[in-house]
Amino acid sequence: DTEVTQTPKHLVMGMTNKKSLKCEQHMGHRAMYWYKQKAKKPPELMFVYSYEKLSINESVPSRFSPECPNSSLLNLHLHALQPEDSALYLCASSQAETTGEKLFFGSGTQLSVL
Amino acid sequence: QQQVKQSPQSLIVQKGGISIINCAYENTAFDYFPWYQQFPGKGPALLIAIRPDVSEKKEGRFTISFNKSAKQFSLHIMDSQPGDSATYFCAAVTTSGTYKYIFGTGTRLKVLA
Repeated sequence: DTEVTQTPKHLVMGMTNKKSLKCEQHMGHRAMYWYKQKAKKPPELMFVYSYEKLSINESVPSRFSPECPNSSLLNLHLHALQPEDSALYLCASSQAETTGEKLFFGSGTQLSVL
Repeated sequence: QQQVKQSPQSLIVQKGGISIINCAYENTAFDYFPWYQQFPGKGPALLIAIRPDVSEKKEGRFTISFNKSAKQFSLHIMDSQPGDSATYFCAAVTTSGTYKYIFGTGTRLKVLA
């Protein structure tokens, strides 16, 4: 299984809502990532989990809260988002952060904040 | 120093032609250079990658050329097909020390049938 599965595929939420994005991989990878991608732009790194511990937080606003319950799962909890947070949210995994040359991306969650 | 400059921003090629996308970097600490292909509504997928100890790598119709002294690398797509129409991102990675994975700005390729 070489897939990274993300749910939901689409999400529309209001600025006062709380929602969660989910990501799952069964490749035995020990590093997992959240990226944000605006239209016609490259992916921007948000968070890196290495061996289930948060290792990189790229100064992301606290309305985004990551969680790594186990080595296969990664969540991104969303609260009080702004319309400018509308984007494609991508989850990725790699063997390990220190050898994370090859990133395996999921198909993403297209988020719209109204 | 952390930027990766990618050109052109968009590219239109006739079917059967050669597509060429260029990237340049400044930081000599980068030691892995992948290319990703992204279709609309999908995440990027690793296409081909090269390390700086090799000047060229070929996989099927896709070739990376790497010029270490110029700090440039390029993707060549031979015999371009309409199915190759996608956005392509180069990246530069440090695989030791402080983790850095820097994407280029992307090239939207359209191959005309």
